[in-house]
Amino acid sequence: EIVMTQSPATLSVSPGERATLSCRASQSVSSNLAWYQQKPGQVPRLLIYGASTRATGIPARFSGSGSGIEFTLTISSLQSEDFAIYYCQQYNNWPPSFGQGTKVEIK
Amino acid sequence: EVQLVESGGVVVQPGGSLRLACAASGFIFDDYTMHWVRQIPGKGLEWVSLISWDGGSTYYADSVKGRFTISRDNSKNSLYLQMNSLRTEDTAFYYCAKDSQQLATYYFDYWGQGTLVTVSS
Repeated sequence: EIVMTQSPATLSVSPGERATLSCRASQSVSSNLAWYQQKPGQVPRLLIYGASTRATGIPARFSGSGSGIEFTLTISSLQSEDFAIYYCQQYNNWPPSFGQGTKVEIK
Repeated sequence: EVQLVESGGVVVQPGGSLRLACAASGFIFDDYTMHWVRQIPGKGLEWVSLISWDGGSTYYADSVKGRFTISRDNSKNSLYLQMNSLRTEDTAFYYCAKDSQQLATYYFDYWGQGTLVTVSS
């Protein structure tokens, strides 16, 4: 099973600032990586798939990059509604697997 | 509008059994692979199982293989998870999730609200 490691565990950011979240795979997953956002008490929401393609309705301030084993989710200017936990997930190898999450909190 | 509504989560004793259900609407159910994903409260996500559009193929995480059975009834737009020999470590929210494309990709574009399974004596 591919292990997905996210860093940092918690990211403290002021509204309006840029947030950069990292996800590393234990072996190459090509570009078969998705990002999800989960707010407290809510279900995960698909943000990015194919490492860099925004899902339907996702604002342009969210962007994904990377391939192979290193991936990044960037939120260009944090809005109040963006404070949440973010998970990466690989779907290149069996079984699909998630990172442990990065919590983005208000600084 | 896509909707996935899970039901069946309760408190059950270790070794017990439970059947979860997920009612789907707003899309052509029998066009899509469907999944169960679980989340221990306050913790991360774990993929549990999938079933192909026609029910012909099923796959399981090692942690549940031999104990859980996924099934679907396309005539009722419903997905199921039969959970046997439950363990305390199975305690989690269980989400029904839709695969993103008709040709299964194994990432998830819609999730249900989840149903809580608690395994405790």
